[in-house]
Amino acid sequence: DIQMTQSPSTLSASVGDRVIITCRASQSISGWLAWYQQKPGKAPKLLIYDASSLESGVPSRFSGSGSGTEFTLTISSLQPDDFATYYCQQYNSYPRTFGQGTKVEVK
Amino acid sequence: QITLKESGPTLVKPTQTLTVTCTFSGFSLSASGVGVGWVRQPPGKALEWLALIYWNDDKRYNPSLSSRLTVTKDTSKNQVVLTMTNMDPMDTATYYCGHTILARKFDNWGQGILVTVSP
Repeated sequence: DIQMTQSPSTLSASVGDRVIITCRASQSISGWLAWYQQKPGKAPKLLIYDASSLESGVPSRFSGSGSGTEFTLTISSLQPDDFATYYCQQYNSYPRTFGQGTKVEVK
Repeated sequence: QITLKESGPTLVKPTQTLTVTCTFSGFSLSASGVGVGWVRQPPGKALEWLALIYWNDDKRYNPSLSSRLTVTKDTSKNQVVLTMTNMDPMDTATYYCGHTILARKFDNWGQGILVTVSP
């Protein structure tokens, strides 16, 4: 299985901050990576796919980059609605695997 | 508009078999490339990919659970069913189904169903 490791596990930030979350794959996954946002008690929501493509309807302050084994999710200016947990997921090979999550909390 | 909704028991006993149904609308599981997958999330923990069924009835399972999982589809009813045998308290989790094209990103998710395994 491909292991996905996110860092940090928890991130304390303020509204307006630039936030960067990293996801590393245990082997190359090319650009086959998605990012999801999840709020308590809710299903995950797709933000980014194919490493850098913005899902329709997702604010442009979210962006993704990377290829191979290292990827980042950037929130350019954190908004109150963005406090949540973020997960990366690889779909290069089976089984699909998720990172352990990064919780973005209020500083 | 794509929607999915999970249904099934919210409480099962250890050793029992869990059957969860995903009822969907807004797409056809007969269309080329379409798939429905299952993901679970224990309380306070990360997401875990379980299984997927394709439009052509091809199926993929997480090897760590493959001996216990079965996924089937009923295209006429717009339903996908996940069964998990020999349930254990460690299987307590919210179970989600999701829509995917070519088993890549999950672009639409159900609301999830919390299943508790307890005597």
